[in-house]
Amino acid sequence: QVQLVESGGGVVQPGRSLRLSCAASGFIFNNFGMHWVRQAPGKGLEWVAVIWYDGDNKYYADSVKGRFTISRDNSKNKVYLQMNSLGAEDTAVYYCARITSGTYGDVDYWGQGTLVTVSS
Amino acid sequence: QTVVTQEPSLTVSPGGTVTLTCASSTGAVTSVYYPNWFQQKPGQAPRALIYSTNKKHSWTPARFSGSLLGGEAALTLSGVQPEDEAEYYCLLYYGGAWVFGGGTKLTVL
Repeated sequence: QVQLVESGGGVVQPGRSLRLSCAASGFIFNNFGMHWVRQAPGKGLEWVAVIWYDGDNKYYADSVKGRFTISRDNSKNKVYLQMNSLGAEDTAVYYCARITSGTYGDVDYWGQGTLVTVSS
Repeated sequence: QTVVTQEPSLTVSPGGTVTLTCASSTGAVTSVYYPNWFQQKPGQAPRALIYSTNKKHSWTPARFSGSLLGGEAALTLSGVQPEDEAEYYCLLYYGGAWVFGGGTKLTVL
């Protein structure tokens, strides 16, 4: 069965960096694009970034552009989110999610999320 | 800044029918926006319900359906069950950017 497991969250000071990982299993990873989506405490979902199945195309939300970098290692079945210059506004649960096969705009499976807290 | 708007809250009686909508600040929502709908219960990750406007995932209960209605994406729940009480989010695709709606808190009362 499809599984997505995020890791790497924790407490980090403002201005510092953190790298999140999402380990995928149960499907042919290099056939699927992947998203990162976040949810601040008590708030709604916010799309963060996407990477195409081959890593050739990446897109970012304006709120993270220039600070966050999405990447993937298809040999390890993992997608990453490098987060730099973190601020309090980046405090959230971060989810990875899979783009539905054969589409660009659809999302099917989600991980359980990893919590990032930016605090001094 | 593109904004996707949903009803903040709705209430429905068990066994009733309710329609949630999803509007785009850019104009009418069409199928090229790949409307998706997700359900989220407290403390849980979101779960996908509908994709590409009206397609159901293998796990989506039959009482959920998606459509386009009056220039908006819509999610209709028919024969609502108590376990349908949750937050519902729509997602629209803008060609290289994705935007979630603010969510609708559905209360079953």
